[in-house]
Amino acid sequence: EVQLVESGGGLVQPGGSLRLSCAASGFTFGTYWMDWVRQVPGKGLEWVANIKKDGSNRNYVDSVKGRFTISRDNAKQSLYLQMNGLRAEDTAVYYCVRDVLGASSHWGQGILVTVSS
Amino acid sequence: QSVLTQPPSASGAPGQRVTISCSGSNSNIGANAVTWYHQLPGTAPKLLIYGGGQRPSGVPDRFSGSKSGTSASLAISGLQSEDESDYYCATWDGSLNVVVFGGGTKLTVL
Repeated sequence: EVQLVESGGGLVQPGGSLRLSCAASGFTFGTYWMDWVRQVPGKGLEWVANIKKDGSNRNYVDSVKGRFTISRDNAKQSLYLQMNGLRAEDTAVYYCVRDVLGASSHWGQGILVTVSS
Repeated sequence: QSVLTQPPSASGAPGQRVTISCSGSNSNIGANAVTWYHQLPGTAPKLLIYGGGQRPSGVPDRFSGSKSGTSASLAISGLQSEDESDYYCATWDGSLNVVVFGGGTKLTVL
């Protein structure tokens, strides 16, 4: 069974940092592009970043460029999102997603990140 | 403001057919296939349509996707109460090099 389990969320002050992790199981992690998508509670979906199967290509939404870094460890079947310089507007549920636009799309349950003083 | 434009709401009676539109541009919908998701409150989105019109296993053929130019549509026929959900379109934008989502459409079954 395919599973994506996010961890590392929580409450952080503005300007602070958090590192989200996503543990993947049930499939060969290194054969898929992976994405992070976020959603402010009660609002729509916003794509954040993605990373190629081997980590050689990464893309980011403009609002997080220079602050967030997506990475992966295929040996550990894990995806990461390092979030620095957090702002109130980064408050959202963050989803780890496999193949966000394709036939193999699968989402984790999401993890809440709250940026507040 | 989302790159892809969806109506915020749609509705229909049980058994009816409803369509949800998703409008974009040449760099996104005009050049790439559209994916559709549905999402119930408090849960993660689930894949409904990919590759413009393909359904993953388990999705009934009441759901269909189409595209014309820079717009896409999701059609739901034989509307059922369990179809009440939020629906999102998404695709790749080749100019921005990002995945773009529509703002979502809340479907109400009357």
